[in-house]
Amino acid sequence: QVQLQQSGPGLVKPSQTLSLTCAISGDSVSSNSATWNWIRQSPSRGLEWLGRTYYRSKWYNGYAVSVKSRITINPDTSKNEFSLQLNSVTPEDTAVYYCARGRDGYYADWGQGTLVTVSS
Amino acid sequence: QSVLTQPPSVSGAPGQRVTISCTGSSSNIGAGYDLHWYQQLPGTAPKLLIYAHSNRPSGVPDRFSGSKSGTSASLAISGLQAEDEADYYCQSYDSSLSGWVFGGGTKLTVL
Repeated sequence: QVQLQQSGPGLVKPSQTLSLTCAISGDSVSSNSATWNWIRQSPSRGLEWLGRTYYRSKWYNGYAVSVKSRITINPDTSKNEFSLQLNSVTPEDTAVYYCARGRDGYYADWGQGTLVTVSS
Repeated sequence: QSVLTQPPSVSGAPGQRVTISCTGSSSNIGAGYDLHWYQQLPGTAPKLLIYAHSNRPSGVPDRFSGSKSGTSASLAISGLQAEDEADYYCQSYDSSLSGWVFGGGTKLTVL
């Protein structure tokens, strides 16, 4: 059974970088069949897919157009985890952030969620 | 404005059958991309309910079923129970956005 454990600060100042980590157990970040995703949820934007990283003989990334200029998702094979960095945050980035394992375009496994508030 | 459109709310009495629609377009459901459904209880992460239009993961009761027609899809819940009260979301891939998209969500109230 796959479990995803998120960690990271719940408060970030405007213009700074939001950083979260998702530790994986029960699967490998280097899996050839899974993708590793970040999704956020806010009252104003609903559920929003942010991006993913995955391994298919080499590493690939894909990002949502809405955050493409500000986002980086990186795998860490030594720790079997992946991370999210979102730069230049504004109060609009306040949301619950989830990591999720993707298979065939759906998300069967989710992290517990982290409420990140952007405020000074 | 979500790319996939769902009714904000539906309701039904215990034992009844309700359906939740998800309307897309030719760049997502109509293009043949799979449609998935999630159930979200308050304060928890979404839970996969239906994948690839009509398939149930292990452990999901057969009271939940999904279907697709053209650019739309539907989630049906029969034999409604109090524990089904939750938010429900559809999700697919959109080729015009080159990314995965969710519906705005439907709040199910069990009367």
